[in-house]
Amino acid sequence: DTEVTQTPKHLVMGMTNKKSLKCEQHMGHRAMYWYKQKAKKPPELMFVYSYEKLSINESVPSRFSPECPNSSLLNLHLHALQPEDSALYLCASSQAFWGRYEQYFGPGTRLTVT
Amino acid sequence: AQSVTQLDSHVSVSEGTPVLLRCNYSSSYSPSLFWYVQHPNKGLQLLLKYTSAATLVKGINGFEAEFKKSETSFHLTKPSAHMSDAAEYFCVVSESAGGTSYGKLTFGQGTILTVHP
Repeated sequence: DTEVTQTPKHLVMGMTNKKSLKCEQHMGHRAMYWYKQKAKKPPELMFVYSYEKLSINESVPSRFSPECPNSSLLNLHLHALQPEDSALYLCASSQAFWGRYEQYFGPGTRLTVT
Repeated sequence: AQSVTQLDSHVSVSEGTPVLLRCNYSSSYSPSLFWYVQHPNKGLQLLLKYTSAATLVKGINGFEAEFKKSETSFHLTKPSAHMSDAAEYFCVVSESAGGTSYGKLTFGQGTILTVHP
């Protein structure tokens, strides 16, 4: 099973709301990632978790807060977002955080901030 | 530092004709190279990967790519296009060892493939 699942598929939120995106994998992978993808652009890395510890934060604004409760789950908590944060948010996982290992992507959450 | 250049932003082919999507890369260290496909409003699906084994890599759905170190290229090909191949394709490089980009993926800007009946 090479599936990464993400919920919800779509999310509309106001600028004062708090919401969370969820990601799950059962492949035994020890690295998990959050990406942001704007229309007609490649994904941009936001965060990397390796063995449940935050390894990389690509200077993401604090209104995005990642959490890795266990090796299978990854959350992204959202608060006080701006309309420019509207995008497709992709979760991915890989066997480890090493370039040889391919990343498996989830279907994404389409976020609209109003 | 690593970088990827996809030489065509759009490629248009007729169904049943060959597909060629071009990718050049730059990497200071031993690179791993990947091709991903993304259908509209979907996540990315891995087509194939090169990690210093055979230079001709076969992937899913009849796609293959050849790693040419002397040309720093990793072009994606398919002998016969199908309507379902219409999507966006990303060439991706990752450094396997060393470097400041260790473990991170660097994406090309993408090539949109259109398949005409």
